[in-house]
Amino acid sequence: EVQLEESGGGLVKPGGSLRLSCTASESTFNTYTFNWVRQAPGKGLEWISSMTSNRQYIHYADSVKGRFTISRDNAKSSLYLQMNSLRVEDTALYYCARDSRRGLDLWGRGTLVTVSS
Amino acid sequence: DIKMTQSPSTLSASVGDRVTITCRASQSVSSWLAWYQQKPGKAPKLLIYQASNLESGVPSRFSGSGSGTEFTLTISSLQPDDFATYYCQQYNSFSPYTFGQGTKLEIK
Repeated sequence: EVQLEESGGGLVKPGGSLRLSCTASESTFNTYTFNWVRQAPGKGLEWISSMTSNRQYIHYADSVKGRFTISRDNAKSSLYLQMNSLRVEDTALYYCARDSRRGLDLWGRGTLVTVSS
Repeated sequence: DIKMTQSPSTLSASVGDRVTITCRASQSVSSWLAWYQQKPGKAPKLLIYQASNLESGVPSRFSGSGSGTEFTLTISSLQPDDFATYYCQQYNSFSPYTFGQGTKLEIK
């Protein structure tokens, strides 16, 4: 069974940085677009970034544009999210999700990011 | 960016009821619309893709319809396992993806 596993979350002060990772247990990682989606405590889902398989197309939500950077290493079946200039409102559970053009058909369990002084 | 609006935000229903959730897009997304179910403490689960296609393994009591800017998710006969929060999402290729705000389906 294919799985996604996020890591790298934790407690960080406002203005700080974190790098999230998502590793896929499949060899077909390099054929899919992947996304980061977050969910603040008690709130809804917020899509924040996507990157196509060949890195040609990258999108960001306005809320993170200029602060977050998505990247991937297909050889390591891994997706990353570099988060800089973190704000209290970035506190959330961060999911990575596979895009099969059927929507987001595979999700990890998420990694929690807490931004607090 | 395309804004997705779901209604209602909360829905109270009983086992066996037929329920419908609506999702409206601020501009056409063609049929690039998905529905997800999320239970507390769990990741979302894909139910419907391309507006009306049932994801593998999802019970046939779930169905989706619509195109353009208006979409619906229908559960034909609610089961106890269906009480959860439901989200629509547009995934048009040329726009950042966006989710609706969610519909919490509660037991009446």
